[in-house]
Amino acid sequence: EPEVTQTPSHQVTQMGQEVILRCVPISNHLYFYWYRQILGQKVEFLVSFYNNEISEKSEIFDDQFSVERPDGSNFTLKIRSTKLEDSAMYFCASSQDRGGSGELFFGEGSRLTVL
Amino acid sequence: QKEVEQNSGPLSVPEGAIASLNCTYSDRGSQSFFWYRQYSGKSPELIMSIYSNGDKEDGRFTAQLNKASQYVSLLIRDSQPSDSATYLCAVNGGSGNTPLVFGKGTRLSVIA
Repeated sequence: EPEVTQTPSHQVTQMGQEVILRCVPISNHLYFYWYRQILGQKVEFLVSFYNNEISEKSEIFDDQFSVERPDGSNFTLKIRSTKLEDSAMYFCASSQDRGGSGELFFGEGSRLTVL
Repeated sequence: QKEVEQNSGPLSVPEGAIASLNCTYSDRGSQSFFWYRQYSGKSPELIMSIYSNGDKEDGRFTAQLNKASQYVSLLIRDSQPSDSATYLCAVNGGSGNTPLVFGKGTRLSVIA
């Protein structure tokens, strides 16, 4: 069964360092998303991506975040200068249809720990 | 601010019983509603989607939607210990490409 894959599964970094989280969405999906979940809290939307551009982003997704689809398969989230409060599980998701009507399928997540 | 509210639980039910999970949402324009299951340390897994008022059944799961009351529920029949997880209600933002908004989830514990 097709699935969303994410790497790395866990990354530990020092505050101020750059981090890149990688995702391979399901191959025939057109919409891509990043969500994050701080331990014990709810799943929060960061950004959605369609047709090689950001379609929507939340207040969390400030200038230190960026997304890219560098080739036909990968979808990356870059955090330029990590802060302690960036420690969270980051989930990539994809859907065939718009998030408003389509079902989102999540990857297993990348746990980011900022020290 | 679009909100999705769930009782955080834990909700404890004996094995074989019916578990009832509830969710309310603030955006009256919401059109799509989803239930996800999340095991501890794992990613959300889609269980059910529902788009129109009424009930939708899939195996042991039944989703119920009442748009007038802005209320969504999930019933799990014949609950099993393997159903023990956090159940997340997710609602679309209202129109177009708006992203899903998640509730904080209800933790369900099925006691053998």
